[in-house]
Amino acid sequence: AQSVTQLDSQVPVFEEAPVELRCNYSSSVSVYLFWYVQYPNQGLQLLLKYLSGSTLVKGINGFEAEFNKSQTSFHLRKPSVHISDTAEYFCAVKPGGYQKVTFGTGTKLQVIP
Amino acid sequence: NAGVMQNPRHLVRRRGQEARLRCSPMKGHSHVYWYRQLPEEGLKFMVYLQKENIIDESGMPKERFSAEFPKEGPSILRIQQVVRGDSAAYFCASTTGTSDETQYFGPGTRLLVL
Repeated sequence: AQSVTQLDSQVPVFEEAPVELRCNYSSSVSVYLFWYVQYPNQGLQLLLKYLSGSTLVKGINGFEAEFNKSQTSFHLRKPSVHISDTAEYFCAVKPGGYQKVTFGTGTKLQVIP
Repeated sequence: NAGVMQNPRHLVRRRGQEARLRCSPMKGHSHVYWYRQLPEEGLKFMVYLQKENIIDESGMPKERFSAEFPKEGPSILRIQQVVRGDSAAYFCASTTGTSDETQYFGPGTRLLVL
């Protein structure tokens, strides 16, 4: 079975400052990794995903994430946040094949003007 | 290409009534997931369906909840005899069923049980 840990439930950050949202996972098999964003009263939208290859993955809205196999982490970063980045961010993992996706509990990013 | 559609967007039911939530996947997608999101909580997996087949229902409550994804038409999440604790946002996501399984989410149905 897989599990995902997002240690920070809330992250306040000033506008134009950098941010890192942490995600650690555990799995006995290789997994695919995802970050999703959820704006208020909306569904989740894919930010980026890691399937294989380069461990640095670039996504939409200037976000990127780095897969670190030895530390079983997939932290999300953005060098300069904007007010519009205020949302909740979910990390997710999935083994290959017909198996379910496991989501973390989410991190609320609050960008302060 | 239309995205994942869910209806209704908002549903109000009294205790003891039935709730039916519908999810139309993206065109070409044959797999659907259902999730429940309670206030201030993350997404909780409920069920994973392929057309005419339930792949994984380990997250479904044992009673009152059922899901189907028929050969034709939308996927249906059915909650019988609703209770106040069923109030939540219910999201579905669809995929192509390939290994990378990028999920495309619908806007959700917000169920309120009075």
